[in-house]
Amino acid sequence: GDSVTQMEGPVTLSEEAFLTINCTYTATGYPSLFWYVQYPGEGLQLLLKATKADDKGSNKGFEATYRKETTSFHLEKGSVQVSDSAVYFCALFNNNDMRFGAGTRLTVKP
Amino acid sequence: SQTIHQWPATLVQPVGSPLSLECTVEGTSNPNLYWYRQAAGRGLQLLFYSVGIGQISSEVPQNLSASRPQDRQFILSSKKLLLSDSGFYLCAWRGITGTYPQYFGPGTRLTVL
Repeated sequence: GDSVTQMEGPVTLSEEAFLTINCTYTATGYPSLFWYVQYPGEGLQLLLKATKADDKGSNKGFEATYRKETTSFHLEKGSVQVSDSAVYFCALFNNNDMRFGAGTRLTVKP
Repeated sequence: SQTIHQWPATLVQPVGSPLSLECTVEGTSNPNLYWYRQAAGRGLQLLFYSVGIGQISSEVPQNLSASRPQDRQFILSSKKLLLSDSGFYLCAWRGITGTYPQYFGPGTRLTVL
């Protein structure tokens, strides 16, 4: 079945550092891909999405490009802030089914 | 615009007591509805989903049950809570057409003592 694999955390960065959180997927056909963010004590919020190959999703300085050739959807941000500290989930939607990665905890230190 | 509500926000219950968590969605019709559980420091575990009133699919056998008495209402229940039921419970909805993502509620923190 379809699956999503994220890099294991936790990831700890200093403020203004560059962020990459790796996400790869296994799926038949052409899934849609998403990144969600979960701040402490809250539900998941949709951060960005891409629905076809080579699409780039972006929001709040975060970006991810749908790479079908490498089945990847890595999350990047050029300069992280303390307020970006959260858990990030990669997800795919395919054949009416949604699959989530295990989540990656990011801590940004001032 | 669509909004999703969950209550209560937090709950502390003794082992063996019943449970009822409620989720309601506004601003959409006939959504797909989902219940997830997130144990401390863990990922999401899909518990139940529903594609319509009275239609419930269970992903994991356990002492929890779900019901959908109205189009935009989804209830998670238990007759007798276990310690292992502690966790963060998330409700989500998704539109029934296209490739809409799931949208999540604020969650309910359940502690079973």
